[in-house]
Amino acid sequence: AQRVTQPEKLLSVFKGAPVELKCNYSYSGSPELFWYVQYSRQRLQLLLRHISRESIKGFTADLNKGETSFHLKKPFAQEEDSAMYYCALSMNYGGATNKLIFGTGTLLAVQP
Amino acid sequence: EPEVTQTPSHQVTQMGQEVILRCVPISNHLYFYWYRQILGQKVEFLVSFYNNEISEKSEIFDDQFSVERPDGSNFTLKIRSTKLEDSAMYFCASSPPRRGANNEQFFGPGTRLTVL
Repeated sequence: AQRVTQPEKLLSVFKGAPVELKCNYSYSGSPELFWYVQYSRQRLQLLLRHISRESIKGFTADLNKGETSFHLKKPFAQEEDSAMYYCALSMNYGGATNKLIFGTGTLLAVQP
Repeated sequence: EPEVTQTPSHQVTQMGQEVILRCVPISNHLYFYWYRQILGQKVEFLVSFYNNEISEKSEIFDDQFSVERPDGSNFTLKIRSTKLEDSAMYFCASSPPRRGANNEQFFGPGTRLTVL
């Protein structure tokens, strides 16, 4: 079965420290991976997707099919990065819609 | 910037009552979704909707649930007879007219449903 695992419920770092939020997935096909972020009292919003290979707000994520991972990284954390981060998987099955399978989320707390 | 909207923000109901959760997707979007998040748990897919019919549904989406796009703008989720375990945050999402699994979903702010 398809599954997304985020092993850390909470990650607390100091401002300026590097951040790595872990995400592993289980899917036998060709996955599409996303990171969604939810800031306090705001809606879920897309942070980045692996296909874009872009850096958003200093965050990057590389899909490693060998390790079935899609870890989110940032070299220097900022206080405004504090939020809930969700890794999500979408599957290419040829249908019109593509449901997202979410991990449990990691709360990133950046201390001053 | 257009956003997905949801009403109400909080709904309290008695067990066994029917509830309708409303969503207004972004106007040119074609793909619509409902997800839910029970407190402390992960966001779970319920149902997707395209071309006026259900495209996919999860095991959670049983006969007590239904979705409708009654007027071309609203997208509703109805729970016919609510149970205590239906208490959750319900998120609506929509996607632009672009096929593919990498199509971004835009989420609404959610409706918190409390079943007493």
